[in-house]
Amino acid sequence: AQSVAQPEDQVNVAEGNPLTVKCTYSVSGNPYLFWYVQYPNRGLQFLLKYITGDNLVKGSYGFEAEFNKSQTSFHLKKPSALVSDSALYFCASGGANNLFFGTGTRLTVIP
Amino acid sequence: SQTIHQWPATLVQPVGSPLSLECTVEGTSNPNLYWYRQAAGRGLQLLFYSVGIGQISSEVPQNLSASRPQDRQFILSSKKLLLSDSGFYLCAWLGAADTKDIGDTQYFGPGTRLTVL
Repeated sequence: AQSVAQPEDQVNVAEGNPLTVKCTYSVSGNPYLFWYVQYPNRGLQFLLKYITGDNLVKGSYGFEAEFNKSQTSFHLKKPSALVSDSALYFCASGGANNLFFGTGTRLTVIP
Repeated sequence: SQTIHQWPATLVQPVGSPLSLECTVEGTSNPNLYWYRQAAGRGLQLLFYSVGIGQISSEVPQNLSASRPQDRQFILSSKKLLLSDSGFYLCAWLGAADTKDIGDTQYFGPGTRLTVL
């Protein structure tokens, strides 16, 4: 069975500070891992994914994520948070027709 | 480039009324298509997916049904809505993040907010 966990419902960070949104996975075999962002009353926007290769994946809007096989984690990071980064972030794992989403982490960037 | 549309954007329906939500994709052919429901602004639940015209896989037995009458059209329906059908409905298609990608990323539409009263 595949699953992802986002242990934090809410993350607050000051503008300009680095941010981290955590995700751990439980997947048999090689994991396909994704990050999406959702703004209020909008669909999910794809940020980045890890399939294979470099453990550090760079994505849209300055976000990056680090795949850590030993810790089964895929944390989303950004060096300097913007107020406009405030949104709901989802980690997901799976293949084409069986994508499993975490419960989401609400990120608030405080001016 | 590819785009995905959903309508209506919002819908308020009485209990027991029928439902039809539409999703269309432009700029691609024969995409895999998906319907999700998001309750309470959090987790996503996959409802249906389709790999081609007339091919529907149901993930969760419930009050809803899906159809794919055309290559790039995916419809979510109900004959009689329940209060529990309220939520944010998202359509997605399977595509490639860039020209080197193998096409295994789901891209989402803007969603339809359904309120059943």
